[in-house]
Amino acid sequence: DVQMTQSPSTLSASVGDRVTITCRASQSISSWLAWYQQKPGKAPNLLIYRASTLQSGVPTRFSGSGSGTEFTLTISSLQPHDFATYYCQQYNSYSRTFGQGTKVEI
Amino acid sequence: QVQLLQSGAEVKKPGASVRLSCKASGYTFRSYSMHWVRQAPAQGLEWMAIINPSDGSASIAQQFQGRVTMTRDTSTSTVYMEVSSLRSEDTALYYCARDSWNTGYFDYWGQGTLVTVSS
Repeated sequence: DVQMTQSPSTLSASVGDRVTITCRASQSISSWLAWYQQKPGKAPNLLIYRASTLQSGVPTRFSGSGSGTEFTLTISSLQPHDFATYYCQQYNSYSRTFGQGTKVEI
Repeated sequence: QVQLLQSGAEVKKPGASVRLSCKASGYTFRSYSMHWVRQAPAQGLEWMAIINPSDGSASIAQQFQGRVTMTRDTSTSTVYMEVSSLRSEDTALYYCARDSWNTGYFDYWGQGTLVTVSS
């Protein structure tokens, strides 16, 4: 299986900060990567797919980049609603795998 | 609008089986594969399995093979996942999630079903 490693595991930030989360794949996954946001007690919500395509309805302060084995999720100006846990997920192989998550907290 | 409605919480003893359901509405059921993803308490997301509602074919993550069975009922637009030989480590929130355009990522999620395995 393709292993996905996110960093950092926890990120402390303030409203208005620019935040970057990194996701690394154990082998090349081209651009077959998605990002999700999860708030406590809720199901994950799709933010970005194909590494950089913003899902409909997702604010433009979210952006994704990368290909191959290294990817980033950037929040350009952190808003109060953005404090949550973020997961990357590869779909290059049939056995989908997630990163371990990055918690963005105050 | 697309909705995935999952069955209610379950409490099971070790060694038992549990059958979870996920009823889809708001789209053509046969056209989109469905996945199951679980999340243990305070843990990350773990992909378990996928089913093609059109023909019922399924693929199960290696660590669950032999314990997980996937089925579907096209007449009610419902997918089912049965997990057998439950152990305490199976205590988790189980989500169904639709595969977006059958590409591999998940655009809609159910609300989750909590399964508690305890003696």
